[in-house]
Amino acid sequence: DTGVSQDPRHKITKRGQNVTFRCDPISEHNRLYWYRQTLGQGPEFLTYFQNEAQLEKSRLLSDRFSAERPKGSFSTLEIQRTEQGDSAMYLCASSLVTGQETQYFGPGTRLLVL
Amino acid sequence: QQPVQSPQAVILREGEDAVINCSSSKALYSVHWYRQKHGEAPVFLMILLKGGEQKGHEKISASFNEKKQQSSLYLTASQLSYSGTYFCGTFNFGNEKLTFGTGTRLTIIP
Repeated sequence: DTGVSQDPRHKITKRGQNVTFRCDPISEHNRLYWYRQTLGQGPEFLTYFQNEAQLEKSRLLSDRFSAERPKGSFSTLEIQRTEQGDSAMYLCASSLVTGQETQYFGPGTRLLVL
Repeated sequence: QQPVQSPQAVILREGEDAVINCSSSKALYSVHWYRQKHGEAPVFLMILLKGGEQKGHEKISASFNEKKQQSSLYLTASQLSYSGTYFCGTFNFGNEKLTFGTGTRLTIIP
């Protein structure tokens, strides 16, 4: 068990471009969460999956954002037509539904939109 | 609604104690505490479930007052490695996601 991994760790893109991030959860975890974190703030919930089903999306997740978790394993988060306001750290976390729901975070993908 | 943490920031000398508070306006099912160092992901510290139980390990412990919708994190005999930003995360009834607090920045100086 190597923990939650995310790829890439850093991404610099120009405004208007599309970007895709990947998250590999801890192997036996059935829940996967995406968060966004800006400087000095706590992580803000974006969306989460239980197995392959996307159960909830935050109002923060505009139509330009889409997330998938095919086959209930890894997940991708895509941002289309990036804007400068999308610059942030994107964090992925996974958990096992046991009633305690401890979430373990990956190292994050830091996005900078120029 | 985001839980409110206090203090916002604190500076301690190595060996001193600290208390970080987390207060929610909603009824809580559980409280999770994380520490985040600059540029890194949050690291899980502990979870407290309803019932007023106190949990901890080594010199970091926490309590959860369900009625007051509050939790406190206790750091005793602080070490340099305790520096970072501490976040509480709350699970509310009927809401299956963590809502993170406003954060407390802790700086330990030698």
